[in-house]
Amino acid sequence: TQLLEQSPQFLSIQEGENLTVYCNSSSVFSSLQWYRQEPGEGPVLLVTVVTGGEVKKLKRLTFQFGDARKDSSLHITAAQPGDTGLYLCAGSLNTGTASKLTFGTGTRLQVTL
Amino acid sequence: EAQVTQNPRYLITVTGKKLTVTCSQNMNHEYMSWYRQDPGLGLRQIYYSMNVEVTDKGDVPEGYKVSRKEKRNFPLILESPSPNQTSLYFCASGRNTEAFFGQGTRLTVV
Repeated sequence: TQLLEQSPQFLSIQEGENLTVYCNSSSVFSSLQWYRQEPGEGPVLLVTVVTGGEVKKLKRLTFQFGDARKDSSLHITAAQPGDTGLYLCAGSLNTGTASKLTFGTGTRLQVTL
Repeated sequence: EAQVTQNPRYLITVTGKKLTVTCSQNMNHEYMSWYRQDPGLGLRQIYYSMNVEVTDKGDVPEGYKVSRKEKRNFPLILESPSPNQTSLYFCASGRNTEAFFGQGTRLTVV
């Protein structure tokens, strides 16, 4: 059973467009993280959100944690080719540790010129 | 430079031949973990360790062993590899709720 469902699975857009990736679950998480993974590399942490309703911005990326701490979204404004990669959300079911991180299946984003 | 180092990066082996994938971190993290990544299944946790000599099963531990004799090292052992263990493996270390990943080991078992 996949605890974290991501949508869409694939997204191909042109440079300059906006996009939103969703991460949904029926479980309540103590925190949720977003990672980006490029081919041949390990996932790299982008952000951690811990409070229901929290919004964090990282340049053109905006992350939101749902009020009930069951879902999250990642919005990219004016996408660039350098944003291409696999985006993974991960929820932590234990407070204060990374021991039980559960990953979503990922959203593969391709941004073309 | 803070990093998690896995070796080897690529490995092709035959069914039943014991192998070890090494993992080392230089960030003094207490937590370390192994994941496998397969198309359509995402990242799944194999084993994790909260500290030296403390290990626990993740979601897919069958066919794998780990040990944590030192804080910095967390090797993954496949005693008798099978083709269904062909996958991309990642080691991670962490603090609080954040995980830092190695570059991965692509294992093929024929």
